[in-house]
Amino acid sequence: GNSVTQMEGPVTLSEEAFLTINCTYTATGYPSLFWYVQYPGEGLQLLLKATKADDKGSNKGFEATYRKETTSFHLEKGSVQVSDSAVYFCALSDANTGNQFYFGTGTSLTVIP
Amino acid sequence: EPEVTQTPSHQVTQMGQEVILRCVPISNHLYFYWYRQILGQKVEFLVSFYNNEISEKSEIFDDQFSVERPDGSNFTLKIRSTKLEDSAMYFCASSDPDSTDTQYFGPGTRLTVL
Repeated sequence: GNSVTQMEGPVTLSEEAFLTINCTYTATGYPSLFWYVQYPGEGLQLLLKATKADDKGSNKGFEATYRKETTSFHLEKGSVQVSDSAVYFCALSDANTGNQFYFGTGTSLTVIP
Repeated sequence: EPEVTQTPSHQVTQMGQEVILRCVPISNHLYFYWYRQILGQKVEFLVSFYNNEISEKSEIFDDQFSVERPDGSNFTLKIRSTKLEDSAMYFCASSDPDSTDTQYFGPGTRLTVL
């Protein structure tokens, strides 16, 4: 079946540090992969996505590359800011299962000045 | 930018009571979804809805749950007889017919069953 495994948190980084949040997936078909972000008190916001192997999604300095060979979609940012403090969710959707989303557990990131 | 809205933000209820969680999807979207997240666990799919009927549902979505689109803007989740284990954050989502693999989520309703 479909599932997403995400790096456990919480993660605490200093401002301008490099961020990696690991995400791996299992899927029966050819899923689309996503990173969502949830800021305190807000909903899940789409951060970036990739729909096929070797695609790179990017937004707001964040990047993730769809790696079929390693079934991974790790989130990276070269220099984090305090405003990046949030919970990050990796997810996949699969047209074979009606586009329902399968989420990881979420990784809480705190960036300190 | 259009967004999905949900009300209330927090609902407290007694075990056995019925609750209705409300969502207003993005106006031109045609696919609607409910998910839930029990504290400390994954966000889990409950149900998807299209063309006024359920298109997919998970095993969590048993007979105590129902969904409805009572008018052109609202999408509701009803839990008939709440249990303690229904306490969770409930997220509504919607997607555009031209891009059904991408879902836009609301801020969630935190349901607490006492």
